[in-house]
Amino acid sequence: GAVVSQHPSRVICKSGTSVKIECRSLDFQATTMFWYRQFPKQSLMLMATSNEGSKATYEQGVEKDKFLINHASLTLSTLTVTSAHPEDSSFYICRCGLAGARGYFGPGTRLTVL
Amino acid sequence: AQTVTQSQPEMSVQEAETVTLSCTYDTSESDYYLFWYKQPPSRQMILVIRQEAYKQQNATENRFSVNFQKAAKSFSLKISDSQLGDAAMYFCAYRSTLSGNTPLVFGKGTRLSVIA
Repeated sequence: GAVVSQHPSRVICKSGTSVKIECRSLDFQATTMFWYRQFPKQSLMLMATSNEGSKATYEQGVEKDKFLINHASLTLSTLTVTSAHPEDSSFYICRCGLAGARGYFGPGTRLTVL
Repeated sequence: AQTVTQSQPEMSVQEAETVTLSCTYDTSESDYYLFWYKQPPSRQMILVIRQEAYKQQNATENRFSVNFQKAAKSFSLKISDSQLGDAAMYFCAYRSTLSGNTPLVFGKGTRLSVIA
């Protein structure tokens, strides 16, 4: 089946630093990638939708200048958390969308900001 | 905007028994997709089952089946012959088909425990 990777799987950083999370589709091309955030014991909340070669569309309440999304190719999207603070600590999951109802989740990245 | 409601925060089932997880949704669209995802402690999202709204027949995948009631906007998941490995968070999700590649909208989840 289709495989999506995320790197890193876990990151711990100091408050004020920036963290980049990569999402790659390994054996297919994804025209659309979705970024979700999941706080402990909560559901997945959509942060933004990105299409290759165009600007990402952010959900209401998500700061686009804080969560920078780059979808430079059909197999790679990156989420950069700029000037991270403890409240940004969360589990970040990408999903690569395909035609129809198909799509595949990455394994997620656990971010801890000290 | 579409919403998905899972009214059971936690459920438990004896091993080998059957359990049903509830999900309702709200939409004004006539065509859409519905999903059940499993999230084990590893937090990897695993697709359990998918239903296209235009299909009247309920989807089944081995021990997993759904009861899709379009008019009632209900989409419950039945797990038969429950196994210890079924213990996880289960999320119901909705996806519009209106335009392009649309995101999944998730319910709050149901934590399923399986008792040996």
